[in-house]
Amino acid sequence: DAKTTQPPSMDCAEGRAANLPCNHSTISGNEYVYWYRQIHSQGPQYIIHGLKNNETNEMASLIITEDRKSSTLILPHATLRDTAVYYCIVSSGTSYGKLTFGQGTILTVHP
Amino acid sequence: DAGVIQSPRHEVTEMGQEVTLRCKPISGHDYLFWYRQTMMRGLELLIYFNNNVPIDDSGMPEDRFSAKMPNASFSTLKIQPSEPRDSAVYFCASSLEQGPAYEQYFGPGTRLTVT
Repeated sequence: DAKTTQPPSMDCAEGRAANLPCNHSTISGNEYVYWYRQIHSQGPQYIIHGLKNNETNEMASLIITEDRKSSTLILPHATLRDTAVYYCIVSSGTSYGKLTFGQGTILTVHP
Repeated sequence: DAGVIQSPRHEVTEMGQEVTLRCKPISGHDYLFWYRQTMMRGLELLIYFNNNVPIDDSGMPEDRFSAKMPNASFSTLKIQPSEPRDSAVYFCASSLEQGPAYEQYFGPGTRLTVT
């Protein structure tokens, strides 16, 4: 599976959009991009995933560049409860279930 | 649904003792995963099951670790004998199927401390 690179930490003001970048320049054609987050002392939580097209659900939006080498997770109106570690994961084929978590981005939402 | 249930939530044991961690997946989910999280190594997959059968145990650190899934609603992760370096948070997760559209649901974790 392709490796991902994320900034170690980011800050965001409450009520503003949080844009979390992820670089996956070695991604191959059949690999999906997944985002999970982990709030302190809890298990990871699925947010969203995508292949080529941009995706949106009730939690977030996922923007994937046309060359698929990078993506951005957007939390449109961040709240204090969105403070967490956000993981960008690339997985494919028979290893869809084998999620490889990197170090992620620590997002801190402040008042 | 109650989600993935893990027990105990905290376990403190002495080096050399046997430790058994338990997991109840979400009803109807065919896949079950065991992960371990430490500060040094982050979150790593240990083993996963499909329909109670172990599919990939390449992440299991050594023979002291074993995992079983005797039925669709129960799995155990056993460490025997335990060592201080096994101290970590162990997560269990389940998913309906294996595929890009199927998210994994994680339990609250078991915090293991081996002294």
